[in-house]
Amino acid sequence: KAGVTQTPRYLIKTRGQQVTLSCSPISGHRSVSWYQQTPGQGLQFLFEYFSETQRNKGNFPGRFSGRQFSNSRSEMNVSTLELGDSALYLCASSSQGSTGELFFGEGSRLTVL
Amino acid sequence: AQSVTQLGSHVSVSEGALVLLRCNYSSSVPPYLFWYVQYPNQGLQLLLKYTTGATLVKGINGFEAEFKKSETSFHLTKPSAHMSDAAEYFCAVSDAGTASKLTFGTGTRLQVTL
Repeated sequence: KAGVTQTPRYLIKTRGQQVTLSCSPISGHRSVSWYQQTPGQGLQFLFEYFSETQRNKGNFPGRFSGRQFSNSRSEMNVSTLELGDSALYLCASSSQGSTGELFFGEGSRLTVL
Repeated sequence: AQSVTQLGSHVSVSEGALVLLRCNYSSSVPPYLFWYVQYPNQGLQLLLKYTTGATLVKGINGFEAEFKKSETSFHLTKPSAHMSDAAEYFCAVSDAGTASKLTFGTGTRLQVTL
């Protein structure tokens, strides 16, 4: 069974640009969550999608957005990039009725110059 | 609001020694508690979780943790450390209403020496 796949693994952007990250969950998993990991702030919850609807949202500005498609694949977008957006963005999927057991991808490492 | 405190950002043990990584939580509702491990350049992997029931939870790779409500703790232990245990360990909390919304601790980097 394939794991959670995130693309791209590494990317470099400049301030003001926007970026889209993609996540393919484990087959059959309908919940996809996104987390930001930085040395200073640690792991922070961005949002969760379930059946194409945002179910939970963290405390991030509106520049951070996401969506989920009918096949459960998810994308997150960050607009007007700032230096502080440099981070490892982790996607995790879980099955319906999960009690919090998340399966994480290897992440997309974003560097903003 | 929920929160997690991990005591000790770095822990060093000798191979074969006891591993003890500390985690205290704060939650206004019955918590779900987790330990995740992260190896370099990888995502997080679930070691074990507590939701309800038995307070001593056994996980993968010989790790276990005990939920102590009176102490609001969920410390991770392993009787005998192995070199392959060197990684970063994260304690996390959520609740039944938002099970996929985890609040993580700041992590503890475990070093295992010969």
